[in-house]
Amino acid sequence: ILNVEQSPQSLHVQEGDSTNFTCSFPSSNFYALHWYRWETAKSPEALFVMTLNGDEKKKGRISATLNTKEGYSYLYIKGSQPEDSATYLCAFNTGGFKTIFGAGTRLFVKA
Amino acid sequence: EADIYQTPRYLVIGTGKKITLECSQTMGHDKMYWYQQDPGMELHLIHYSYGVNSTEKGDLSSESTVSRIRTEHFPLTLESARPSHTSQYLCASRRAAEGEQYFGPGTRLTVT
Repeated sequence: ILNVEQSPQSLHVQEGDSTNFTCSFPSSNFYALHWYRWETAKSPEALFVMTLNGDEKKKGRISATLNTKEGYSYLYIKGSQPEDSATYLCAFNTGGFKTIFGAGTRLFVKA
Repeated sequence: EADIYQTPRYLVIGTGKKITLECSQTMGHDKMYWYQQDPGMELHLIHYSYGVNSTEKGDLSSESTVSRIRTEHFPLTLESARPSHTSQYLCASRRAAEGEQYFGPGTRLTVT
C-alpha cells in the first residue's frame, strides 16, 4: 500500500519566522511529486510539480526540494506572513492515473 | 484561477434521500476525479474517469456512483444517503497524467 506521510501535522509560527515541513513517500516507482496549498474556504492550488531527484523549485518566499532516492521532499517558507496560513498538501504520483495525497501540514501564522 | 465548479457547496440532508453532487470543468480535461476527505485526514480517491463513458472506482470504497456522459461534467450520486456519508467531497481534473490537478471548491455534505 502506497503511503505519503507529512510532518508535522500542524505548526504555529510568528510572522517573520521561517519554517519548513516534510513529505515522505515511497522511493520506488517514483514519477512526480506535487505540493498544493489549501486555504480555508478555497480550493487546493498547485504550488510545485517536481519530477527529478535533486529538483529545487521556488515561488516567491516558498521553495521545495526533492530527494527521490530516500523518498522525501521539504517545503520551506521564508519570512512567514499571515496570508501563508493554509494546509500544505503533498501528493505522490507513480505515473499511473492515481495520485496519493498526504494528510497535510496545517500552518498557522500569527501576526 | 481554475475553471472547475461544484454545486452545492453545502448540503444538509436526511437519511435515505438521493443526492447528486455536481462537478463541471471548462478546461477540456479528459481526466477527472472525486475525492472524499474527513477533517484532518488525507484526500481519498473514490472515483475517476479517463474520459467520456469511462469511469473507475478509486481506492476508498464508496457507495456512490458517477457518470461521464460529457467531457465537462462528472456528477456523483448517492442513491440513499446515510450519516456515514457525512464528509467533504472534492472534484478535480487534469490534462496530463503527471500534471497538477485543478480542484473545485468542494461540497460539504451532512447527512442527519
